[in-house]
Amino acid sequence: NAGVTQTPKFRILKIGQSMTLQCTQDMNHNYMYWYRQDPGMGLKLIYYSVGAGITDKGEVPNGYNVSRSTTEDFPLRLELAAPSQTSVYFCASSYSTGPPTDTQYFGPGTRLTVL
Amino acid sequence: AQKITQTQPGMFVQEKEAVTLDCTYDTSDPSYGLFWYKQPSSGEMIFLIYQGSYDQQNATEGRYSLNFQKARKSANLVISASQLGDSAMYFCAMREGGTSDYKLSFGAGTTVTVRA
Repeated sequence: NAGVTQTPKFRILKIGQSMTLQCTQDMNHNYMYWYRQDPGMGLKLIYYSVGAGITDKGEVPNGYNVSRSTTEDFPLRLELAAPSQTSVYFCASSYSTGPPTDTQYFGPGTRLTVL
Repeated sequence: AQKITQTQPGMFVQEKEAVTLDCTYDTSDPSYGLFWYKQPSSGEMIFLIYQGSYDQQNATEGRYSLNFQKARKSANLVISASQLGDSAMYFCAMREGGTSDYKLSFGAGTTVTVRA
C-alpha cells in the first residue's frame, strides 16, 4: 500500500512553460485535493474532487486545471507558468462518507520553481 | 477572516520536556474536525491527531494529546517527553462539516526545535 504518490519530486520551469503534476492514491479514497504551500506558510487549497468526473475550485485555482477520470488519479495542470506559482504542491486524499471525521493523507509533495 | 490562528511562529523545548502548541479556530458550524499535522524538514505532511467537535474527551495518540476547549475555540497540541525527532513545523487545521468539500483550512504553523 503506497498511499498517495506524487511525481515529480522537483521541477524547474521557465516562465510560460506548462506541466502536469501527477498524483495517484491506492487507498480507494473518493475525495482528492491539491494544495500549495508557499515558503513559511500553511497550505492553501487549489482544487478538489469528490469523485471521478467531479472537480471544483478551491481558494487559489487561477492558473491551474485538474481532471479526475479515475478514482486513483488526480493530475494538476499548470498552464503558462509564472514565478508566482513557485511553491510546494501537495496532493491529498480522504474517504468521506458524511461527518468530517476522516483524515486527509498527503503525498510527499512536488517542489516547483518557475524562473 | 482567518479560520485557524497559530500565534507562536517558533518555539524551543528541551529534550524530554513537554511543549504546548497553541491553536485557535473560528467557525459557526456546530460540526467540525480539528487536525494536527507535522512537517519535518524533509517536507512531507504527517497526520498526528484528530478531534471532532462532538467528542466528549480530549484526543490522545501516544505522546500527542489535544487540549480541546470548545467554548474558547482552542485546540492546543501537547507533545510530552520531547525527542530530537520532534523538531519540525506543526500545523493546526480544521474541516467544517457544513460544507460538502471537506477541505482543510490550515494555520500558518509553529516551528518546534528540540534541544539536547
